[in-house]
Amino acid sequence: EDQVTQSPEALRLQEGESSSLNCSYTVSGLRGLFWYRQDPGKGPEFLFTLYSAGEEKEKERLKATLTKKESFLHITAPKPEDSATYLCAWLSGGYQKVTFGIGTKLQVIP
Amino acid sequence: NAGVTQTPKFQVLKTGQSMTLQCAQDMNHNSMYWYRQDPGMGLRLIYYSASEGTTDKGEVPNGYNVSRLNKREFSLRLESAAPSQTSVYFCASLEGMNTEAFFGQGTRLTVV
Repeated sequence: EDQVTQSPEALRLQEGESSSLNCSYTVSGLRGLFWYRQDPGKGPEFLFTLYSAGEEKEKERLKATLTKKESFLHITAPKPEDSATYLCAWLSGGYQKVTFGIGTKLQVIP
Repeated sequence: NAGVTQTPKFQVLKTGQSMTLQCAQDMNHNSMYWYRQDPGMGLRLIYYSASEGTTDKGEVPNGYNVSRLNKREFSLRLESAAPSQTSVYFCASLEGMNTEAFFGQGTRLTVV
């Protein structure tokens, strides 16, 4: 059975304190792994797609990486505006099925 | 460019009432999805439609029906609402193979 686990469930950082969020998976037929950001009361907003082990993508203070078993979202020198819930999701199967992890709620304190 | 539009944004239903949540996308995407989001449970897939004319069950389809009316529109129907269906519902669409999904702003549904 496909499984994805995000950790930690919640993370509190001081402004400027770098850290990483984890998304570990056992998914058969993984065709893509996505990272999304979700602000309270809003729909998820796309950040990155990773397709194969070894791939890395960056956007401002965020960097996503992918291995054969897990993906990391690294946050460098975070700011309070980075506070949000970060979701990983995966695309599998032949029918465009997208499934989400529970998410990591990040709080960055000034 | 509106993206994915959901209506209504808020709804209160009494137990046993029925309603349809509407979703439309203007990006010419093939695939569309309905999710529900509950505290501590994350986003759970209810139904999806890989292309016009097809629908498939996700993780939590019981109590829901869907219609892919055309390429733009994908509706979610609750035939007899139950308090357990109180949730925030999100519609999403996806362009094609291995691309990201775009989400609507959500419908906050309360069943009393």
